[in-house]
Amino acid sequence: EAGVAQSPRYKIIEKRQSVAFWCNPISGHATLYWYQQILGQGPKLLIQFQNNGVVDDSQLPKDRFSAERLKGVDSTLKIQPAKLEDSAVYLCASSEEAYEQYFGPGTRLTVT
Amino acid sequence: SQQGEEDPQALSIQEGENATMNCSYKTSINNLQWYRQNSGRGLVHLILIRSNEREKHSGRLRVTLDTSKKSSSLLITASRAADTASYFCATDGGRRALTFGSGTRLQVQP
Repeated sequence: EAGVAQSPRYKIIEKRQSVAFWCNPISGHATLYWYQQILGQGPKLLIQFQNNGVVDDSQLPKDRFSAERLKGVDSTLKIQPAKLEDSAVYLCASSEEAYEQYFGPGTRLTVT
Repeated sequence: SQQGEEDPQALSIQEGENATMNCSYKTSINNLQWYRQNSGRGLVHLILIRSNEREKHSGRLRVTLDTSKKSSSLLITASRAADTASYFCATDGGRRALTFGSGTRLQVQP
């Protein structure tokens, strides 16, 4: 089966600019997650969707980050405006009823 | 915040040797999972152990869980150069979202 798709793979922007990331989960997976992984650290959950509803966004910096999952399939994560500390890899994952999560290749964001 | 802490932070061994990584966590869990991340690649699920299990095996992997000590260990036997990667433990507190540790970087020398 096809894996989790993410685009773009790399993005370089200047601080205060906006950026958006796209994720297409594995077909049929109801749950979708966005994680932020700063260099040298483990991934940190930003937001969790169940179908098109938000389950957990407690660690999402809502003053600058937003995410949506239209029709319970694809999802976009947006940062506006970006800060230097947002430089990280943004990982999308999906899961079905089982607990195992399938991760995409990630988007490496560099904010200069 | 990170739930788990892996120990050691980095480990270098020779091919054929065993590698042991430890993970400690802070709050109660539903299950604990181990993931591998190769350089430039995404995270790959290795093994899951439920809170009522004490040990689990999968191929060359052996995972133990001690909920009284809030700790887990991952043993990779007969390591190969291809096992070179970062290994993360991740805990599921019941809502399926994972809380990852800081990872152990394993280097297997051929």
